[in-house]
This record gives sequence, structure tokens and C-alpha cells, in this order.
Amino acid sequence: NAGVTQTPKFQVLKTGQSMTLQCAQDMNHEYMSWYRQDPGMGLRLIHYSVGAGITDQGEVPNGYNVSRSTTEDFPLRLLSAAPSQTSVYFCASSYSIKGEKLFFGSGTQLSVL
Amino acid sequence: AQKVTQAQTEISVVEKEDVTLDCVYETRDTTYYLFWYKQPPSGELVFLIRRNSFDEQNEISGRYSWNFQKSTSSFNFTITASQVVDSAVYFCALSEGRGSTLGRLYFGRGTQLTVWP
Repeated sequence: NAGVTQTPKFQVLKTGQSMTLQCAQDMNHEYMSWYRQDPGMGLRLIHYSVGAGITDQGEVPNGYNVSRSTTEDFPLRLLSAAPSQTSVYFCASSYSIKGEKLFFGSGTQLSVL
Repeated sequence: AQKVTQAQTEISVVEKEDVTLDCVYETRDTTYYLFWYKQPPSGELVFLIRRNSFDEQNEISGRYSWNFQKSTSSFNFTITASQVVDSAVYFCALSEGRGSTLGRLYFGRGTQLTVWP
């Protein structure tokens, strides 16, 4: 059972480049989300989804897009990378939107130069 | 305003000492959920416990225990007889059960615990 799979593990971008962070889960979870972790800031929610075709913004959505075409996949797109988006990104999923524990991916270390 | 406050940024203890990590939360909902996660040096996030707002019973799991007090909006975590392997960043988190913030999990900034041999 793979759980939540994130790729890539590491990525270096130049300012202005675009890229997609991939996230897939094989647990048939309704709820999926993306967080960024910055030193001293904890984890902050970027976007989340409660099912295929349904997404919503979290605390820090600017500069990021998401879509949910299938239950399994929830990619995060950076349209024009900025140094402020240098961070560790975590994808997470859970059985439902309401108070269930999150299963986290292993994270993506992104550096924007 | 932060919904979850972990006032202790860093704590250092020597092995076998007991240590308590503080967590204070803020919500107007009557239905909410509280969590603790552990992030060891390897970087993954490990779920430790989930508690809903209607269950104020304290919980013990081996050397870990949690004290939930609605009167003080606190959900503190105690490690008894700490070990070097307990060294990690610990996050407290809050999920509200209804309204416009349903689906959002708010994390505190974390407490870095270092246990010295």
C-alpha cells in the first residue's frame, strides 16, 4: 500500500519558471490538500479538495493552482515561480473533510533561485 | 490571530526527563478536532493523536499522554521518561467542524524537542 506519493523529492527552479508537483493517493480518500512548511511558520494550507472537481483555497493560495480531475490525483501548479515560494511542500489526504487524521506524503523540497 | 499557539519554540531535556509541550487553541466552534503530529529529523509527518471537542478524557499511550482542557483551550502533550528517539519537531493542529473553515487544518508553529543522552 503506497499511501500518499509525492514527486519530485527535490526541485530547483529559476524565477519565472513553471512546474507541477505531483500527488497521488491510493486509499480512495475524498479529501486532499497541499501545505507548505517554512522555518518557524509551521505548515500552512495552500489549497484543498473535497472530491473530484471540487477545490478551494487555503491560507496561502496566491501563486498556486490546483485541479482534481480524479479521486487519486491532486497536482499543485506553480505558474511563475518566485523566490518566496522556496519551501518544503507536503501533500496530504484523509477519508473525509471533517476531522479525520491526515496521511502525508514525504514532501518536496523546492528552491527558487 | 493564530488559531493554534505553541509558545515553546525549542525545548532541550536530558534522557529520562519528563517533558510537556504546550498547545493553546482558539475557536468559536463547539465542534472541533485537535491533533498532534511528530516530524523527526527525516522530515516525514507522523500522526500521534486526534481528539474531538466532545471528548475531554485524557489519553495515555505508552510514554505519551495528552491533557485536553476546554476551560483553558489547551491540549498539552507530555512525554514521560524521554528518549533520544523522541527528538523531533512536534506540531499541534486544529480543525473546525463546520462553517467556512471546514476542511482547513491549522497548525501551530511547532516545538523543536531535543533529548540529549
